[in-house]
Amino acid sequence: QQQVKQSPQSLIVQKGGISIINCAYENTAFDYFPWYQQFPGKGPALLIAIRPDVSEKKEGRFTISFNKSAKQFSLHIMDSQPGDSATYFCAARNSGTYKYIFGTGTRLKVLA
Amino acid sequence: DAGVTQSPTHLIKTRGQQVTLRCSPKSGHDTVSWYQQALGQGPQFIFQYYEEEERQRGNFPDRFSGHQFPNYSSELNVNALLLGDSALYLCASSLGRNQPQHFGDGTRLSIL
Repeated sequence: QQQVKQSPQSLIVQKGGISIINCAYENTAFDYFPWYQQFPGKGPALLIAIRPDVSEKKEGRFTISFNKSAKQFSLHIMDSQPGDSATYFCAARNSGTYKYIFGTGTRLKVLA
Repeated sequence: DAGVTQSPTHLIKTRGQQVTLRCSPKSGHDTVSWYQQALGQGPQFIFQYYEEEERQRGNFPDRFSGHQFPNYSSELNVNALLLGDSALYLCASSLGRNQPQHFGDGTRLSIL
């Protein structure tokens, strides 16, 4: 119940294409869902986040779609660029304990 | 505005030794969480400190301990190091337990 399942494990997209990464969870106590971007040798950087009372949030080229009934959420990267090549992690925070559970990561490569 | 800073950046130890890692939170942040990130995996929650007390703990043995100082900086101590402790150790800070976390670039710990 504490797991966050992330897919795909790796993704290759052409420049200008749409990158889509999916996550699913079971624990209904999760109340906050951030996405992090991590480059090699760096720590994860907060990209965008959503709360379960919102179905979609957009910031620039990044959009989170949230389906509360299905317990799924996804990250869409529009007009993907080579500079977006990184590992992306979804996460979920437990509302009672404030503990974050991270997905296993998606390695994105955007071809020029 | 300095972000989360961690020291040292790299560390090599041998089995059985003890290690102390340090974290300075982002300016204004009072909550510090520590994570272990094994190669190719998502961060795993170790524990969280708020008001100088350990508030939450993940599934890590008592060999992992920590401390938070009055200036909100924090230390992670690991005793009796095992080969499996080799990982990137990340510190994340936030303003309060309910706010988004921001990560440092981590300490890469290698156990020989």
